[in-house]
Amino acid sequence: GQQVMQIPQYQHVQEGEDFTTYCNSSTTLSNIQWYKQRPGGHPVFLIQLVKSGEVKKQKRLTFQFGEAKKNSSLHITATQTTDVGTYFCAGSTGTASKLTFGTGTRLQVTL
Amino acid sequence: DTEVTQTPKHLVMGMTNKKSLKCEQHMGHRAMYWYKQKAKKPPELMFVYSYEKLSINESVPSRFSPECPNSSLLNLHLHALQPEDSALYLCASSQDSLNFGYGYTFGSGTRLTVV
Repeated sequence: GQQVMQIPQYQHVQEGEDFTTYCNSSTTLSNIQWYKQRPGGHPVFLIQLVKSGEVKKQKRLTFQFGEAKKNSSLHITATQTTDVGTYFCAGSTGTASKLTFGTGTRLQVTL
Repeated sequence: DTEVTQTPKHLVMGMTNKKSLKCEQHMGHRAMYWYKQKAKKPPELMFVYSYEKLSINESVPSRFSPECPNSSLLNLHLHALQPEDSALYLCASSQDSLNFGYGYTFGSGTRLTVV
């Protein structure tokens, strides 16, 4: 079945440093979504990418979808303590009904 | 209303009990989902309802029984669970199962402990 891996599993940064998490799928994806889950919370939708090579920005967050539509990345510039949480990519190979979550990257930010 | 509401927030049940988890949304979404999440793991899909019909069952044991009484409500009936079923159960909804639209909206979950 479809597998979606993320690296790193965990990253600890000082506030102000940059952070990147990478997402790799075993199969070609029709789209990729990104979610953030704060400790003790639930996943919150951040963004969706559909086109090959697509790049989208949300303030300090930059999302990319690979040319082959099998990988994606999330880059955070100048992290803040509010960025703490686990970031999941989630992809689908067909309809929206079967979204497979990546393994997640847990981000810790300290002052 | 842009929320998915789940009740109860916490549930402790014995292995012989029968209980139900409830999920409600009033965003007009036509697809609803149940996910299971163990600690430090990603959410795992259990069931998908599309236009009130069960469209995907990810080989979930029969001790979990979903129900969609109407387009706003989703239930998960639990019976004879095992301790390994202890997890956070997340309900989510989306515009429909064919159109990714604006992603999934998740509820805050029910933290289930089976003793």
